[in-house]
Amino acid sequence: DAMVIQNPRYQVTQFGKPVTLSCSQTLNHNVMYWYQQKSSQAPKLLFHYYDKDFNNEADTPDNFQSRRPNTSFCFLDIRSPGLGDAAMYLCATGPRLSQETQYFGPGTRLLVL
Amino acid sequence: GENVEQHPSTLSVQEGDSAVIKCTYSDSASNYFPWYKQELGKRPQLIIDIRSNVGEKKDQRIAVTLNKTAKHFSLHITETQPEDSAVYFCAANDRGSTLGRLYFGRGTQLTVWP
Repeated sequence: DAMVIQNPRYQVTQFGKPVTLSCSQTLNHNVMYWYQQKSSQAPKLLFHYYDKDFNNEADTPDNFQSRRPNTSFCFLDIRSPGLGDAAMYLCATGPRLSQETQYFGPGTRLLVL
Repeated sequence: GENVEQHPSTLSVQEGDSAVIKCTYSDSASNYFPWYKQELGKRPQLIIDIRSNVGEKKDQRIAVTLNKTAKHFSLHITETQPEDSAVYFCAANDRGSTLGRLYFGRGTQLTVWP
């Protein structure tokens, strides 16, 4: 009965080698979010989609891109991973209204060698 | 934008004692305040939330209080158990956005000693 699914759970990549993380949801929520979480820190919002409308946070590096081909799926592309991009990447979904809960996926832990 | 501050950053209590974590927010327009529990290596999970039309909400051993005037809200855990050990994050929503953006506090590492 998983509602937000992320694959893979662990990803190892080499410095500069592109990597794609995936997220899918069964909640039919309009909004999908990508967060980066480093050790002992709060989740940091990278960007989010409302349906197909993409919203980038001002401080998200250009190295991070996202795609949402349909309501259920959303992808995070890291074009040239650096050592500083090693982190847990969390996907979350939510309904449109600003008062509603966000549901997080289990995360993908990215290691950059 | 909203600024959420959370204290303390670490909290150690004996099993059976109570634990209190406090957060303040800056945007008086915020009206939704969730609390997430994150165990090591796992996803943040919602444990309780409160909306600005109420001052207190309780769910078994967990309660949240909200003071809109002072712009602060607190998480109270009573009769703590070792399995309560985790990082707890508070958050406040952004009323300026219709997309449910949340601003998170920095987190509190709670350790419950048996």
